[in-house]
Amino acid sequence: KAGVTQTPRYLIKTRGQQVTLSCSPISGHRSVSWYQQTPGQGLQFLFEYFSETQRNKGNFPGRFSGRQFSNSRSEMNVSTLELGDSALYLCASSLAGGNQPQHFGDGTRLSIL
Amino acid sequence: KQEVTQIPAALSVPEGENLVLNCSFTDSAIYNLQWFRQDPGKGLTSLLLIQSSQREQTSGRLNASLDKSSGRSTLYIAASQPGDSATYLCAVNYGGSQGNLIFGKGTKLSVKP
Repeated sequence: KAGVTQTPRYLIKTRGQQVTLSCSPISGHRSVSWYQQTPGQGLQFLFEYFSETQRNKGNFPGRFSGRQFSNSRSEMNVSTLELGDSALYLCASSLAGGNQPQHFGDGTRLSIL
Repeated sequence: KQEVTQIPAALSVPEGENLVLNCSFTDSAIYNLQWFRQDPGKGLTSLLLIQSSQREQTSGRLNASLDKSSGRSTLYIAASQPGDSATYLCAVNYGGSQGNLIFGKGTKLSVKP
């Protein structure tokens, strides 16, 4: 069974640009969550989608947005990039229902110049 | 504020030693707690998930315990091996929606041959 797939693995952008990251969950998983990982702040929750609806949102500015498609694939978008947006962005998927473990992809490394 | 703390930040042990990693959380009303490992440049691998009604979970050489009343969890690794070298992360889910995890900053473990 294929794991969580994130594309691209690496991205280099400049300040002010926007970026779209993609996540394909494990087959059958309908919950997809996004996290930002930085050396200073660690892992921070961005948002969670379930059945194409945003179910939870972390404490990030509106420049960070996401969506989920009917096949459970998800994208996140960051507009007007800032230097501080440089991070590893991780996507996780899980089965529906309580007490299901999160399964993570290898992430997209975003560098802002 | 709900916070998760992991001490120590780094740990170095000789191969074969048994070791314990610690995780503490400020709000005891958790839904579940998950332990992950992260290898350099990679995503997170789920190791164990403990439901709020459980006291411990075991998988191979790993044993995780949960004490909600004291706000603590421990990950016990028996007979450590160099392949166990990684960063170990503890994450708490406070309710229902499994995608919204609050992470500790992790313990970087190095097992010397």
